[in-house]
Amino acid sequence: GAGVSQTPSNKVTEKGKYVELRCDPISGHTALYWYRQSLGQGPEFLIYFQGTGAADDSGLPNDRFFAVRPEGSVSTLKIQRTERGDSAVYLCASSSGPGQPQHFGDGTRLSIL
Amino acid sequence: QQQVKQSPQSLIVQKGGISIINCAYENTAFDYFPWYQQFPGKGPALLIAIRPDVSEKKEGRFTISFNKSAKQFSLHIMDSQPGDSATYFCAATVLGNFNKFYFGSGTKLNVKP
Repeated sequence: GAGVSQTPSNKVTEKGKYVELRCDPISGHTALYWYRQSLGQGPEFLIYFQGTGAADDSGLPNDRFFAVRPEGSVSTLKIQRTERGDSAVYLCASSSGPGQPQHFGDGTRLSIL
Repeated sequence: QQQVKQSPQSLIVQKGGISIINCAYENTAFDYFPWYQQFPGKGPALLIAIRPDVSEKKEGRFTISFNKSAKQFSLHIMDSQPGDSATYFCAATVLGNFNKFYFGSGTKLNVKP
């Protein structure tokens, strides 16, 4: 497919568990973003990658959240010791570079029981 | 502190009518203002965007009006159609700041046939 792909589309897990959410950006896009969208709210910025490095991780809420992009393409958002408040839709977006439009995936709906 | 404030929260418009959604911001450094359309279960999709050097931008039935002095911008949807029923988000960013987007809280538009 030509768009941003996120897997899984849904994830249900118990409080305290560890989860990984995956994002496959559009081929050739160097910039990658993670957002979190709570019910009835707009997306909230988490982290931005330019290439392999996290250029801005100021939106990560605490040290339980971590993201990597080791080869400058696929990214994984990792959440440790999940809490019920982490339940949200996690959106990934990519762009061909700073200043270019961001293209969003359909998100991973994370539910913490 | 919400960087971008959006209103109304919900909007009902008859088919053929004009839908108007408003946003206000505080940070005068913002220099890029996109609007996104989101259908249930899908990621946001870029609809139209404006830079502050122009007061209006039109693409088909969608128009952004921008008032720099008032720090406000709005989306007008002319000849609204039932297929326009979706949630709309305004956003703002400083392009030189790695495109860290700040989103409004969204407006759920329902266009009645």
